[in-house]
Amino acid sequence: GAVVSQHPSWVICKSGTSVKIECRSLDFQATTMFWYRQFPKQSLMLMATSNEGSKATYEQGVEKDKFLINHASLTLSTLTVTSAHPEDSSFYICSASKGRGELFFGEGSRLTVL
Amino acid sequence: ELKVEQNPLFLSMQEGKNYTIYCNYSTTSDRLYWYRQDPGKSLESLFVLLSNGAVKQEGRLMASLDTKARLSTLHITAAVHDLSATYFCAVGRMVNTDKLIFGTGTRLQVFP
Repeated sequence: GAVVSQHPSWVICKSGTSVKIECRSLDFQATTMFWYRQFPKQSLMLMATSNEGSKATYEQGVEKDKFLINHASLTLSTLTVTSAHPEDSSFYICSASKGRGELFFGEGSRLTVL
Repeated sequence: ELKVEQNPLFLSMQEGKNYTIYCNYSTTSDRLYWYRQDPGKSLESLFVLLSNGAVKQEGRLMASLDTKARLSTLHITAAVHDLSATYFCAVGRMVNTDKLIFGTGTRLQVFP
């Protein structure tokens, strides 16, 4: 099956710094990728839709200046958490669409902000 | 606004027993997904249900979809410890079905 890779798997950073998380579709081109966040023992919450070559579409309540999304190519989307704070600590998961409802999830990236 | 609810939220059951997890959603959708998540891991795709009356089975798990009732079920048959995990259903929004709204999740614990 298709593979979606996230990097890094786990990152610990100091409060106030920015962190970039990458989501790559390794064996297919994804015009659309999605970013989710998951707090401990909770469900996944859709943050934004990342579209190749255009601006991301953010869900209500998600700060676009806080969570910068760049979908520079058909195989790569990046999520940058700017000026991270402890409340941004979460598990971030991306998914990539192969079209026709075929979705593949990355392994997830755990962010811990001290 | 599309809402997806799962029931129960937590389930502890003995090995060998059967049980059903329910997933209700509030607006029309044409596809429903079931995922498994182990602690600290991402999602593992279990089933994709695309039409009313669809039924899929894999091992001890069977999923069904009733689009008229906006209900999907995940039935566990003769549970084993390896099935212990959190199970999520997710529904595609009608307009952009690749955008998923996830249910609350059901944490399953199977004990001897």
